[in-house]
Amino acid sequence: ETGVTQSPTHLIKTRGQQVTLRCSSQSGHNTVSWYQQALGQGPQFIFQYYREEENGRGNFPPRFSGLQFPNYSSELNVNALELDDSALYLCASSPGTGGYEQYFGPGTRLTVT
Amino acid sequence: GENVEQHPSTLSVQEGDSAVIKCTYSDSASNYFPWYKQELGKRPQLIIDIRSNVGEKKDQRIAVTLNKTAKHFSLHITETQPEDSAVYFCAVNTGGFKTIFGAGTRLFVKA
Repeated sequence: ETGVTQSPTHLIKTRGQQVTLRCSSQSGHNTVSWYQQALGQGPQFIFQYYREEENGRGNFPPRFSGLQFPNYSSELNVNALELDDSALYLCASSPGTGGYEQYFGPGTRLTVT
Repeated sequence: GENVEQHPSTLSVQEGDSAVIKCTYSDSASNYFPWYKQELGKRPQLIIDIRSNVGEKKDQRIAVTLNKTAKHFSLHITETQPEDSAVYFCAVNTGGFKTIFGAGTRLFVKA
């Protein structure tokens, strides 16, 4: 069984730039959720993808967008980066929708300067 | 919308003692309650979960209890060990796409 992986591990970007983060889901999982975790806080739900469609979204602006591919891997894209976007971005895969049994990847640490 | 409150924010115990972390939620439709452990610089790890049709679940030294009437659930760790030191997050899901996390409890286990 292969666990959830994410790339890159760390990233430094300048305000106004765009970034793409990647996630490979655990074997057998068809659902990927993305979270933003600011320092010292709990993960905040960004959106969920199921069978290549956005299945639901949290309170994040449209400049946060995503994709899911036929192999269930996923991308998170953030446009027009702001300083407050600096955070750990986590993806979690699960065997279905409903939030059950989500397993997290190691995260991508994004720093916006 | 759903709101999850977690207490305490910091907990310090002596090795061998028990630790209890409590969470309250607002949406009575919530039906899935996982707990995650996050060590410094690492990913959150699912350590135990409970569904709304069950009142208690145990897995070795950890247990979770759920009181649906009062809308709270708790994590119990017995015989704590230094390796239990980490940040613990509770979370709530209504069976839909969105999982809401608590703010976390930093647990220190003193040897």
